[in-house]
Amino acid sequence: AQSVSQHNHHVILSEAASLELGCNYSYGGTVNLFWYVQYPGQHLQLLLKYFSGDPLVKGIKGFEAEFIKSKFSFNLRKPSVQWSDTAEYFCAVILYNTDKLIFGTGTRLQVFP
Amino acid sequence: GAVVSQHPSWVICKSGTSVKIECRSLDFQATTMFWYRQFPKQSLMLMATSNEGSKATYEQGVEKDKFLINHASLTLSTLTVTSAHPEDSSFYICSASPPASNIYEQYFGPGTRLTVT
Repeated sequence: AQSVSQHNHHVILSEAASLELGCNYSYGGTVNLFWYVQYPGQHLQLLLKYFSGDPLVKGIKGFEAEFIKSKFSFNLRKPSVQWSDTAEYFCAVILYNTDKLIFGTGTRLQVFP
Repeated sequence: GAVVSQHPSWVICKSGTSVKIECRSLDFQATTMFWYRQFPKQSLMLMATSNEGSKATYEQGVEKDKFLINHASLTLSTLTVTSAHPEDSSFYICSASPPASNIYEQYFGPGTRLTVT
């Protein structure tokens, strides 16, 4: 079955540190890729998405992600995190010709000042 | 921006009783609403997709007689957990999509935590 893996379950960083959260998916066909963020006490929000074209996509709040097809990966990055980035981050995919979001298990990021 | 609310935010019920969770799109009409379930430290699992005025489409393994979904209007969908049992305890999240939108354009509610004792 198709799945999305986020190997970092809990990440703790100091402010200004660089961030990279891993995301791998298991599906050989065309996919659309997403990162969602859930700030404490808030709902899920779309951070960025990849459909086609430039594999390096930029999202809101300085986040970016790179699609590496050969590695089935879509890692999320930010050069310098802030305390306000403390949240849960979910990677998700939509398989070609389907209408379902398949989520990873999420990564909890804690940023300390 | 598009806002989706859920009510209640948390509920505790006794085993065998039924619980209704509401999902509302506050500032847009949602032709499609989705219901997800999230266990601790696990991903959101799609339970069902509901389109206004028609029967919900349930994912494999989800009992439609246990999780009743009604999408009676363009701004309201309800999930009723019937004869709840402790294993139904979970975090239930709904999302809504505006008409003619891409599937990823889902606006999520804040979730409802259900505890069955």
